Amino acid sequence: DQQVKQNSPSLSVQEGRISILNCDYTNSMFDYFLWYKKYPAEGPTFLISISSIKDKNEDGRFTVFLNKSAKHLSLHIVPSQPGDSAVYFCAASIQGAQKLVFGQGTRLTINP
Amino acid sequence: DTAVSQTPKYLVTQMGNDKSIKCEQNLGHDTMYWYKQDSKKFLKIMFSYNNKELIINETVPNRFSPKSPDKAHLNLHINSLELGDSAVYFCASSIGLHNQPQHFGDGTRLSIL
Repeated sequence: DQQVKQNSPSLSVQEGRISILNCDYTNSMFDYFLWYKKYPAEGPTFLISISSIKDKNEDGRFTVFLNKSAKHLSLHIVPSQPGDSAVYFCAASIQGAQKLVFGQGTRLTINP
Repeated sequence: DTAVSQTPKYLVTQMGNDKSIKCEQNLGHDTMYWYKQDSKKFLKIMFSYNNKELIINETVPNRFSPKSPDKAHLNLHINSLELGDSAVYFCASSIGLHNQPQHFGDGTRLSIL
């Protein structure tokens, strides 16, 4: 029962262009969403989050969009840089649950 | 000065053995977690502790026993290791309030021979 899904296992983008990573969820009780970035042999690093009361949150080159009616969120990275090459996980939580439910990750490769 | 640190980073052992993984956080957080990343790369919650009290036990076999001596430490002891226990185990911490991110350690790769 996979409640958070990242349907693209990998994505390749040219340096300087926009990277768009997508995530879908099934549980309408989720009200807090996060994106994590993970390099090999390291733990996930928090990138950006969004509460369900918002539809957009921006932090520098990173913007997260939330479409509650479609149960879909996306992470936009612009401009993409070589250091952005990593696996990106989206995660979601429910108030009071104190746990994160993760997607299976998307490997982003930025080509020079 | 790593925020969430786990030891060891790699653990290779035989089936049937007992092993422990240690986790410490210096962020002053109240809540700590253990996650398991399996061969399919899914990260799944195992346990959550808030101020040394167990909050979440996500249907984990009772061969896994977390111990929190204080709120900065959450150790994981595993008895009678099985092949299916091979995975990467991540410790995390947060301030325990909703809408706050969790911060992860670098993981412990456990390999069962």
